[in-house]
Order: sequence, then C-alpha cells, then structure tokens
Amino acid sequence: GENVEQHPSTLSVQEGDSAVIKCTYSDSASNYFPWYKQELGKRPQLIIDIRSNVGEKKDQRIAVTLNKTAKHFSLHITETQPEDSAVYFCAASTFSGGYNKLIFGAGTRLAVHP
Amino acid sequence: SAVISQKPSRDICQRGTSLTIQCQVDSQVTMMFWYRQQPGQSLTLIATANQGSEATYESGFVIDKFPISRPNLTFSTLTVSNMSPEDSSIYLCSVTVPGGKNTEAFFGQGTRLTVV
Repeated sequence: GENVEQHPSTLSVQEGDSAVIKCTYSDSASNYFPWYKQELGKRPQLIIDIRSNVGEKKDQRIAVTLNKTAKHFSLHITETQPEDSAVYFCAASTFSGGYNKLIFGAGTRLAVHP
Repeated sequence: SAVISQKPSRDICQRGTSLTIQCQVDSQVTMMFWYRQQPGQSLTLIATANQGSEATYESGFVIDKFPISRPNLTFSTLTVSNMSPEDSSIYLCSVTVPGGKNTEAFFGQGTRLTVV
C-alpha cells in the first residue's frame, strides 16, 4: 500500500522567512496530493492541493511542487506569519477498492516566531 | 463543501466499556472515512464505510474492535469496543464530496477519547 514520509517533523522560522516541508510517496499510481493545516484543537483544513498532471501550483504565499519521477512533493510558505504556526500534513490519494483514500504523512509542526 | 457534525466532542470512559461516535453530514456522500489521531501524531485511516455494504478496514484494525455502521448516505457511527488506555486518541470522521474537487476531504471536529 501507499506510504507517505514527511520531513522535517518540526520547523522553526522567524517571521518573514520561508518554510519548506517535503514529502515522498511510494505508490506511483497516486494522483492527488493535498496539504492540510491543523491548528491546535481544530480539525484539519485543506490549504492547497496538486494533481499529478501539474508540476507546480501557487496560491498567494503558499505553493506546492510535485516531481512525479522522484515521487516527492513539497509545500513552500513564503513571508511566514505567526498565524501560519500549526501542524501541516501532506497526503497522497490512492485509488483502491473502487474509491480514493488519503494516506497522510507524519506531520510537521511549524512555529513562526515574531 | 460539506459540513460534518461529530459527537460527542470528548468523553472520558472506563476501560472495558464501549463508546459510539456519531458522524452526520449535511449532504449525501458515497464514502465516509474514520481516522484515529493519537496525541501529537498523524491521521491513521481506520476504515472506510460505504452505504449498504460492510466497512473496509485498514491493516491493524478489525471489525470486532471498531464496528462501523452506515445506515444511509448522510450518517455513520464508529464504536470503540472493550476500551483500554491505548485507545485514548482523537477520532475523526471524514468525507469527500462528489463533483468538482471530488477528492477534497472534509473532517468532523473530532472526538477526544480518554480511557481511564
């Protein structure tokens, strides 16, 4: 089955710096890669996603890149702000048994210091 | 999008007892997913519930421990049976909404379970 690895587990940056989180996946058939942000005590919320027919996608300060050959994808946050502090999860969608299911990475705890 | 109501939001239970968690969606969905999130950890898929058929369990999870019901297209329950302290965790239900971004997942607010 699909396995998703995520690095780093923790990331500390100064406000205004960039943050990069990287993930690798094992199933070459996976075709959808979302990123979720989870604030303390809250449910995960989708922040950006990318499909396997696209190499890069950007939404304001957030961008995601995908390298299908190497089976890795990355989240880039520019001009970080304290409100970006949260746990970020990458995921890969794998089609199995007639439906898509998400397999999550271990998460990255991002701390943005003022 | 989808609005998911999950209850209870939290509970403290005695070991050996069972707890049933309910998940209600504001629209009809084909698949509902149940995840476990242990403290400070990632989301681990427990099982997938399809209306009208038996749930499909992931490796390491069994029906006797986590029975699931899916009586209609807007509702599902997960029972944590014969609980032990190791079952202390957050349990989340999730759905993907058909059409458009049909693989975008929405989550309930979670049930924080503590077993004592």
